[in-house]
Amino acid sequence: QSVLTQPPSASGTPGQRVTISCSGSNSNIGTNNVYWYQQLPGTAPKLLIYKNNQRPSGVPDRFSGSKSGTSASLAISGLRSEDEADYYCAAWDDSLNGSYVFGTGTKVTVL
Amino acid sequence: QVQLQESGPGLVKPSQTLSLICTVSGGSITSGGYYWSWIRQHPGKGLEWIGYIYYSGTTYYNPSLKSRLIISIDTSKNQFSLKLSSVTAADTAVYYCARVATIFGVAVDYWGQGTLVTVSS
Repeated sequence: QSVLTQPPSASGTPGQRVTISCSGSNSNIGTNNVYWYQQLPGTAPKLLIYKNNQRPSGVPDRFSGSKSGTSASLAISGLRSEDEADYYCAAWDDSLNGSYVFGTGTKVTVL
Repeated sequence: QVQLQESGPGLVKPSQTLSLICTVSGGSITSGGYYWSWIRQHPGKGLEWIGYIYYSGTTYYNPSLKSRLIISIDTSKNQFSLKLSSVTAADTAVYYCARVATIFGVAVDYWGQGTLVTVSS
């Protein structure tokens, strides 16, 4: 079971801003960087955000990440139909000899 | 462009060992700064990190799987592999091999397409 909690779903109309939360603890988000992945249906995940708020080359600036305390957020502005996907946060967890943990995942629907 | 490709049996019997190989192309597996990883996704569920290995052979395992898990690397073939023993139906999942790039922290920047492994008699 995941130690990072996300809302199961989020939705918006084209052009809107959608925010996804990721709640953790001191052993993961509280002390380590947060990463965000996008998984389109039937495909492997893709890195969207690294080190809390950095975008890899090629990721549109419509995607932004932030972190505060033991929580993090991913915002998608100017929502597009192609953003309909599952989104996962992730972080290293220092407990239990260390482990990379993923969030529970959020399904974003474009209405 | 780095590419990763999983290969191995799609069906494994309960109590047996699940074995997968990941072949890396477009880059050397001995390049510093990268960890070679296995991640799985149960049908319709979220992602679970299995573990990763550095080209030197140093490994990091998910504590919940550690007792059944071996990840190894063959630098001569540019491959790394996964062996998970004593499997049950709970190990049925899509298994991804992937690359963690330390320049991005602990970020998985390249993924294989994934391979479904079903545990069933």
